[in-house]
Amino acid sequence: AQTVTQSQPEMSVQEAETVTLSCTYDTSESDYYLFWYKQPPSRQMILVIRQEAYKQQNATENRFSVNFQKAAKSFSLKISDSQLGDAAMYFCAASGSRLTFGEGTQLTVNP
Amino acid sequence: DAGITQSPRHKVTETGTPVTLRCHQTENHRYMYWYRQDPGHGLRLIHYSYGVKDTDKGEVSDGYSVSRSKTEDFLLTLESATSSQTSVYFCAIRPTGVTTDTQYFGPGTRLTVL
Repeated sequence: AQTVTQSQPEMSVQEAETVTLSCTYDTSESDYYLFWYKQPPSRQMILVIRQEAYKQQNATENRFSVNFQKAAKSFSLKISDSQLGDAAMYFCAASGSRLTFGEGTQLTVNP
Repeated sequence: DAGITQSPRHKVTETGTPVTLRCHQTENHRYMYWYRQDPGHGLRLIHYSYGVKDTDKGEVSDGYSVSRSKTEDFLLTLESATSSQTSVYFCAIRPTGVTTDTQYFGPGTRLTVL
């Protein structure tokens, strides 16, 4: 079975600072993708960033980047220059035959 | 915007009543999914569809059925709602023709079973 674990139920960061959200996963799939989704209070699930497991280069999307350590099955999300609008629940997810989600990390951004 | 709508957006019902949630997409995507979201569990897959009349079970399918009679609509039915089915339900699509396995989500439906 595929599992995704987010060990930080809550995190906080000061505006303009950098924060890293952790995620580990376990899968028997040889070909898979990893994702971070953001869920603001509006409840909408928004794709933040994705990483192809066969690519060694870490994905980057503007202020969002990942640290993908395939051997360690680790996939952390770094948010640089945090903004108030980044406050949300963040979900890590892994795909293979199915998309499996972690339990989420609630991020608070303090002004 | 992945062109996904869900209806209703909110519903309160009583135990034992049937409930149907609708997911509608405008872009003819082949793959559609239903998830439920509960505190402490993230999103869990209920059922999915890989084409008209082609559906399969996810990890939490007990008490739910689905139907897909046309490409654009994927219906989730609770035949006899129970309080344990109080949740937020999300529909998702996965575009075909790309290899990223990326799913895009609808706005969600909050269902309360009293």
